[in-house]
Amino acid sequence: AQKITQTQPGMFVQEKEAVTLDCTYDTSDQSYGLFWYKQPSSGEMIFLIYQGSYDEQNATEGRYSLNFQKARKSANLVISASQLGDSAMYFCAMREADSWGKLQFGAGTQVVVTP
Amino acid sequence: KAGVTQTPRYLIKTRGQQVTLSCSPISGHRSVSWYQQTPGQGLQFLFEYFSETQRNKGNFPGRFSGRQFSNSRSEMNVSTLELGDSALYLCASSLSLAGGMGDTQYFGPGTRLTVL
Repeated sequence: AQKITQTQPGMFVQEKEAVTLDCTYDTSDQSYGLFWYKQPSSGEMIFLIYQGSYDEQNATEGRYSLNFQKARKSANLVISASQLGDSAMYFCAMREADSWGKLQFGAGTQVVVTP
Repeated sequence: KAGVTQTPRYLIKTRGQQVTLSCSPISGHRSVSWYQQTPGQGLQFLFEYFSETQRNKGNFPGRFSGRQFSNSRSEMNVSTLELGDSALYLCASSLSLAGGMGDTQYFGPGTRLTVL
């Protein structure tokens, strides 16, 4: 069964606008971690932000913030003030307890920022 | 600090051949994980090495193997290549501190393997 679901295959966003990328996850573990990565067309995966299951505050990193709703098992990424350089594929990933070194990824959302 | 490096960046092989990919982690990182990325299957975990031991393994056939050296550098090998092995192979390194659920993986640029 799919552990990470990203329902938006692609989206367009205008420069300077905010965009929310959806991510829902499925786990029975109490301890887990959620990550977002960006993959430009060059292929390299770039770490953006992390949220732990026990973190009470939503994670923020610069223009990135994570809207973590534990009861709904969702971890949406919000990118504020989009820039042209934000055009990329975005992946949500989860690490479950005791799954050393293993991230489970969603299918990704392709974001295109337009001028 | 230098990032994760992977060599070679591109490879073209034919069916039945074998291939070895190399990954050098960020200095001080002890864990190296490997992933296969294809348009059809997305990103799939292959295996993870820590202190020269395979600590976790994904659901791939035995043709896929790996190892880690004492300097944390890692290699993965694919024997008897099939057309379906064409993919971007990504490696990622992390500190892997004990109990670190937030142990962040940092990825290399990938090796793009094409099997003809």
